[in-house]
Amino acid sequence: DSGVTQTPKHLITATGQRVTLRCSPRSGDLSVYWYQQSLDQGLQFLIQYYNGEERAKGNILERFSAQQFPDLHSELNLSSLELGDSALYFCASSVGQGIQETQYFGPGTRLLVL
Amino acid sequence: AQTVTQSQPEMSVQEAETVTLSCTYDTSESDYYLFWYKQPPSRQMILVIRQEAYKQQNATENRFSVNFQKAAKSFSLKISDSQLGDAAMYFCAYRSDPSGTYKYIFGTGTRLKVLA
Repeated sequence: DSGVTQTPKHLITATGQRVTLRCSPRSGDLSVYWYQQSLDQGLQFLIQYYNGEERAKGNILERFSAQQFPDLHSELNLSSLELGDSALYFCASSVGQGIQETQYFGPGTRLLVL
Repeated sequence: AQTVTQSQPEMSVQEAETVTLSCTYDTSESDYYLFWYKQPPSRQMILVIRQEAYKQQNATENRFSVNFQKAAKSFSLKISDSQLGDAAMYFCAYRSDPSGTYKYIFGTGTRLKVLA
């Protein structure tokens, strides 16, 4: 158990819908990353937040947005869902700087768009 | 743009033997970090080992070691005395920190099977 929690574990929805994925980082971790892992693919970095502020952006679609709240939990919002958005979405929180930064991954949310 | 390539979709190793997983990357930056992550069937991502680019000495963590060749932009993972629990997907990852932002780039993974 990494200490990072993600809810829900599974989500089934229809095309065109909107969903919200939630991530609670480990206690004390200020940084949260979001990743998308499509079937048998590597992880695609989406976005990073640090202490409530957006720090880095990857290949995140305009239909997707995220935020980090004052209590440091983060939400990833996916809208106008398409079949291709079906994937495993990971959240990771991190501690440390530079080479010492260690990412702790949550168990993921499996999203299926029908 | 930086890229990470894992050219071996799948590898097999006999229990107790040694296996090497390959990873190459492309970057124009001089300072960066490299990682190997393990993803067992549970899908949890677990950090295996990490290497800082300016350090010539190869990182080692118990049965796991890397062969870092900066000029060749190669970062292979060697697993010695393979165990059944090593069976997993292994992802190579690159991270650079331009302007204090951290961006991780992952390869497509190598599935390692350990044969009893």
